[in-house]
Amino acid sequence: EDKVVQSPLSLVVHEGDTVTLNCSYEVTNFRSLLWYKQEKKAPTFLFMLTSSGIEKKSGRLSSILDKKELSSILNITATQTGDSAIYLCAARGYALNFGKGTSLLVTP
Amino acid sequence: DAGVTQSPTHLIKTRGQHVTLRCSPISGHKSVSWYQQVLGQGPQFIFQYYEKEERGRGNFPDRFSARQFPNYSSELNVNALLLGDSALYLCASSAGWGSSGNTIYFGEGSWLTVV
Repeated sequence: EDKVVQSPLSLVVHEGDTVTLNCSYEVTNFRSLLWYKQEKKAPTFLFMLTSSGIEKKSGRLSSILDKKELSSILNITATQTGDSAIYLCAARGYALNFGKGTSLLVTP
Repeated sequence: DAGVTQSPTHLIKTRGQHVTLRCSPISGHKSVSWYQQVLGQGPQFIFQYYEKEERGRGNFPDRFSARQFPNYSSELNVNALLLGDSALYLCASSAGWGSSGNTIYFGEGSWLTVV
């Protein structure tokens, strides 16, 4: 059975801190790993990773995939209160298989 | 350009009733998928359609059905509603199907409450 596990499930940090969110997967016919940010409704696309070891960056966010370890991390540096959200990891096999998400709260 | 649009945004139904949720993908996208997200959980895959054909189905009962129209919009139908069907229903759009390179974008979702 396909499985995606995210850790930690929740996290509280102060503005300016750096956070690392983890995602591990066991998915049949794995094709890619996607990260989304969900604030209220629609998950907003952050990154799609297909190749191992190549870091993708967007501003203060970055992510990398390790196909050998079947895992990915999402880093957020210099966190801001606007980063507070649920971060979802999804491994694409025949469909997107999501983890439960990491709830991040950034306090002023 | 419009993103993925879904309707209605919120609805309340009674147990045993039927519901139809609608989705219009991003212009030029031919693949639509449906996901159910229960509070506190990640989205769960229900269906995927590409070029009006069903390409995948998740572990949901036959009460759930869907279809895709010639303009690539889609409907999700749920019959004989149960309390446990209360959830956020998300529609996702992508350009193609079966390729690792297609980014998948989500709509705002339809909140269904069954009472």
